[in-house]
Amino acid sequence: KAGVTQTPRYLIKTRGQQVTLSCSPISGHRSVSWYQQTPGQGLQFLFEYFSETQRNKGNFPGRFSGRQFSNSRSEMNVSTLELGDSALYLCASSSRGTGGTGELFFGEGSRLTVL
Amino acid sequence: QQQVKQSPQSLIVQKGGISIINCAYENTAFDYFPWYQQFPGKGPALLIAIRPDVSEKKEGRFTISFNKSAKQFSLHIMDSQPGDSATYFCAARSANTGKLIFGQGTTLQVKP
Repeated sequence: KAGVTQTPRYLIKTRGQQVTLSCSPISGHRSVSWYQQTPGQGLQFLFEYFSETQRNKGNFPGRFSGRQFSNSRSEMNVSTLELGDSALYLCASSSRGTGGTGELFFGEGSRLTVL
Repeated sequence: QQQVKQSPQSLIVQKGGISIINCAYENTAFDYFPWYQQFPGKGPALLIAIRPDVSEKKEGRFTISFNKSAKQFSLHIMDSQPGDSATYFCAARSANTGKLIFGQGTTLQVKP
C-alpha cells in the first residue's frame, strides 16, 4: 500500500508570493490533516479535512487555507508569504471516521523556504 | 496556546542506558496519548500509544507511563540504541474534536 505522498518536497519562494502544497493520502483514508513543523515549536496543527469538509482548524491566520477533493487528495495554500512561514509542512492521513484510534500516517513533508 | 508541554528539548544517552521523555497536559478532555518517532528527512511515525484508563503500556523496549491525576505521561526507552536516535513527539487527542495536539519534540541522541 502506497504511503502518503506530498509534493513538492522542497520549494523556495519570496515574501509576498503564494504557494500551494499537495497531499495524496493512503488509499481508502478519508481524513487528511496538515501540520506545520518548525524547530522549537514542534508540530502545529493547521486543519483537518474529512470527506471534502473542514472538520477542525488550528490557530493560523486566514492566509493559510486548504481544501480536499472528492478523491481525498488535499491541497493547502499559503498566500502573501512571510519569512516566518518557512517550515516543514506535513500532511497526515487517517482512516478515522467517528471513532477508532485515529492513527496518523505522515508524509515526508514539503520544506518551504521563504526568502 | 500550548496544551501539551514536553521536556527535555534534547537528550543525550549512552548506548544501553534509559531514555526518559516527559509530557504534561492541561486539558482533561483528552482521550488518547500517542508518541511519534521522527527520523531526519522523514515524517513522524506512531511508536506507541496509551488510553487514560491504563497506567502503563509496554511494547518491547518502549514503555509509556501515565499519571492521570498529575496530568503527566512519559516515554521510557530501555537499553537505548544508536538506532533510537530521532526526534520524539508526545501528543494528546481531544475527546471533543478529535484534534491531535503535539508537544514541542525531544531530540534524542544515543551515543555508541
